Amino acid sequence: DQQVKQNSPSLSVQEGRISILNCDYTNSMFDYFLWYKKYPAEGPTFLISISSIKDKNEDGRFTVFLNKSAKHLSLHIVPSQPGDSAVYFCAASANDMRFGAGTRLTVKP
Amino acid sequence: NAGVTQTPKFRILKIGQSMTLQCTQDMNHNYMYWYRQDPGMGLKLIYYSVGAGITDKGEVPNGYNVSRSTTEDFPLRLELAAPSQTSVYFCASSYKRQYSNQPQHFGDGTRLSIL
Repeated sequence: DQQVKQNSPSLSVQEGRISILNCDYTNSMFDYFLWYKKYPAEGPTFLISISSIKDKNEDGRFTVFLNKSAKHLSLHIVPSQPGDSAVYFCAASANDMRFGAGTRLTVKP
Repeated sequence: NAGVTQTPKFRILKIGQSMTLQCTQDMNHNYMYWYRQDPGMGLKLIYYSVGAGITDKGEVPNGYNVSRSTTEDFPLRLELAAPSQTSVYFCASSYKRQYSNQPQHFGDGTRLSIL
């Protein structure tokens, strides 16, 4: 029962360009959505979150967009930097927290 | 600023053996969690605790046990290791409950192989 899906296992972009990571969910009861970033051999670290009552949240180079009607959210990274290369997890919370399988982002110099 | 510390980082077990994965946090968080991550999958919640002496099952609790005698420590016990428990285990803690917007702080994980 995968309530949170990240359908792209990997994404490669050029340094300086925009990275767009996507996430779809099925449970309309989710009220918060979070993005985590994970480097190899480390635990996930919190990146940015958005409440279900908003459609956009911005923090520096990172912006999360929420489309409730489509049950879709996306993370935009502008401009992308080589240090952004990591696995990004989408997570959603209602009565508990559900995680997507992750998207591996590679930013090429 | 240690945050969440997990030990060991790696371990190989034989089928039927038992072990305890250790987790400690120094942020005075009441909420602590254990997740497992299988290849190509998201993190799945095994057990969680809302405070010392209080634990509850998550999505995949079978084959595991936990205890929470102090605010800082939340060990995960495997009693009879099975190949299906081969995974990477993450411990996490948070200030507020897991289904709020408060982010969870994760340890670096324990990679466990059952052979």
